[in-house]
Amino acid sequence: DGGITQSPKYLFRKEGQNVTLSCEQNLNHDAMYWYRQDPGQGLRLIYYSQIVNDFQKGDIAEGYSVSREKKESFPLTVTSAQKNPTAFYLCASSAAAYYEQYFGPGTRLTVT
Amino acid sequence: KNEVEQSPQNLTAQEGEFITINCSYSVGISALHWLQQHPGGGIVSLFMLSSGKKKHGRLIATINIQEKHSSLHITASHPRDSAVYICAVSIPGGGADGLTFGKGTHLIIQP
Repeated sequence: DGGITQSPKYLFRKEGQNVTLSCEQNLNHDAMYWYRQDPGQGLRLIYYSQIVNDFQKGDIAEGYSVSREKKESFPLTVTSAQKNPTAFYLCASSAAAYYEQYFGPGTRLTVT
Repeated sequence: KNEVEQSPQNLTAQEGEFITINCSYSVGISALHWLQQHPGGGIVSLFMLSSGKKKHGRLIATINIQEKHSSLHITASHPRDSAVYICAVSIPGGGADGLTFGKGTHLIIQP
């Protein structure tokens, strides 16, 4: 089955630690995205990548980093510089820019 | 900056009712998306449209480009339709900068 996987579903970390969220897709999509969702707010774009070895900052990139070494993988690192990291993180992919986006199941990160 | 406004924020209805959720946006777009998010958090794309109307089962989405407005309709609503419905827009030009999202409409269908 083709799709997007994110792991883990729930993640707990202590403040001051970096944590990496996994996102893998087997849809052969070129574009991948990371979004953050907070209660009462719309999803917000953190980073996106149109092709391998290239990525761009979204609206709220501060305190986050990404890599795109393989077409199918787009991991997100939440660094200790992110002031309020507790949130629900969603990864998405699309065949190309402006095409329909397919979403993963999300990772709920709690930092205490 | 484009704003995406959805109404209502919350909607509770009885099974079988006809449901309408509205979405307005403020700038020109290349496409509008309707998404469904269930309590577990996963998001499913329902429609992507740039003009006219699309239908899938009991769901209908319409868009009026001139008025910068879209509606999502659910006919013969069922408790399994209970979810958060999210409107999002793609803005043309300048690279793949993702979607701009509304805050969502929380729909509850009571049996």
